[in-house]
Amino acid sequence: DAGVIQSPRHEVTEMGQEVTLRCKPISGHDYLFWYRQTMMRGLELLIYFNNNVPIDDSGMPEDRFSAKMPNASFSTLKIQPSEPRDSAVYFCASSFGGAGTDTQYFGPGTRLTVL
Amino acid sequence: GEDVEQSLFLSVREGDSSVINCTYTDSSSTYLYWYKQEPGAGLQLLTYIFSNMDMKQDQRLTVLLNKKDKHLSLRIADTQTGDSAIYFCAESYMDTGRRALTFGSGTRLQVQP
Repeated sequence: DAGVIQSPRHEVTEMGQEVTLRCKPISGHDYLFWYRQTMMRGLELLIYFNNNVPIDDSGMPEDRFSAKMPNASFSTLKIQPSEPRDSAVYFCASSFGGAGTDTQYFGPGTRLTVL
Repeated sequence: GEDVEQSLFLSVREGDSSVINCTYTDSSSTYLYWYKQEPGAGLQLLTYIFSNMDMKQDQRLTVLLNKKDKHLSLRIADTQTGDSAIYFCAESYMDTGRRALTFGSGTRLQVQP
């Protein structure tokens, strides 16, 4: 299996622009997680899905952030409009609920820079 | 409540053993994990331990769990320069139905040649 795939790997945009980050989870995994990592705040859980349904979005910073999972093999995290403080590395992770553990497998991340 | 704490930095010499420590506050955690993050990469699962175990060994890695003190440690034997990375501990609470992990802030391990 190719593992969790994220695109793009790097994104540089200007303040006010819309940004869309993409994730393809490991085939067969039924949980998908979006995290944000910064030096100041460490690793923060933004939202997670189970069987394509959002379960907990309490970590989403504000209304400018939205996440969707239209099918089991694809999810997006959108920021509109983007701000410089959104600059961070965004990780997607997936897990299989039937495994008996909560082991999550992480993608390589998208490094977002908002100028 | 859910809170996982780690020391920020550890420096060791190549060939020595490294011990990275973690404390957690929620006694209902089910599994505890160690992840490794190399520069520019995502988090890579190293190992995990079920909360009713005291120890787990996997090649150069030894995980010790003290449930009474809510203390978890990761020992890396014969530490190599390639072990330089940030190490995160995390806990899960499967019994509550919540499937997300709570991560510590990470310990940066620096291995001196």
